[in-house]
Amino acid sequence: DGGITQSPKYLFRKEGQNVTLSCEQNLNHDAMYWYRQDPGQGLRLIYYSQIVNDFQKGDIAEGYSVSREKKESFPLTVTSAQKNPTAFYLCASSTSDRRYTFGSGTRLTVV
Amino acid sequence: GQQLNQSPQSMFIQEGEDVSMNCTSSSIFNTWLWYKQDPGEGPVLLIALYKAGELTSNGRLTAQFGITRKDSFLNISASIPSDVGIYFCAGQTNYGGSQGNLIFGKGTKLSVKP
Repeated sequence: DGGITQSPKYLFRKEGQNVTLSCEQNLNHDAMYWYRQDPGQGLRLIYYSQIVNDFQKGDIAEGYSVSREKKESFPLTVTSAQKNPTAFYLCASSTSDRRYTFGSGTRLTVV
Repeated sequence: GQQLNQSPQSMFIQEGEDVSMNCTSSSIFNTWLWYKQDPGEGPVLLIALYKAGELTSNGRLTAQFGITRKDSFLNISASIPSDVGIYFCAGQTNYGGSQGNLIFGKGTKLSVKP
């Protein structure tokens, strides 16, 4: 079955560390997205990529970085420059019809 | 970025009740979608709407693409306990620098009446 997989489900980060969240899809979708979800805030777009080797900043890109070397993979790095990284992170992919398919999320906590 | 106004923010349901929620925008949208998110999981697509005036059902769920293209409604009939969760509307527009990406409302949280 095709789908989108995020790992790990839970991640703990120490102050000053960079951490990378994985997102892999086997849906053959061209576009991939990263969202951050905080309670009461809805979904806020961090980065998106519409094609391999190209990506664009979303509304809250500061303190994050991404790469898109393969169609199937869109990892997100939360850098030490992100001052408030504790949140639920969602990855999604889509074709041109914009029916986003979401992963099950990664909950990142700073300890 | 652009905003979708989703209301209500939260509501309590009693089993068997009908539920309504809506999203509005000042911009015209080409596509409206409705998602449901269970706790600790990613949103799952419920209904997608592509034409103004379109009315689409998925079981007990019915959604409409507003005729002005600036709003959408989701109704749930005869609610059951597993309907609890957060419902998000999302719209796609080519205006306002969104690059055609989906814009999400802040969600309507459905809970069971104590």
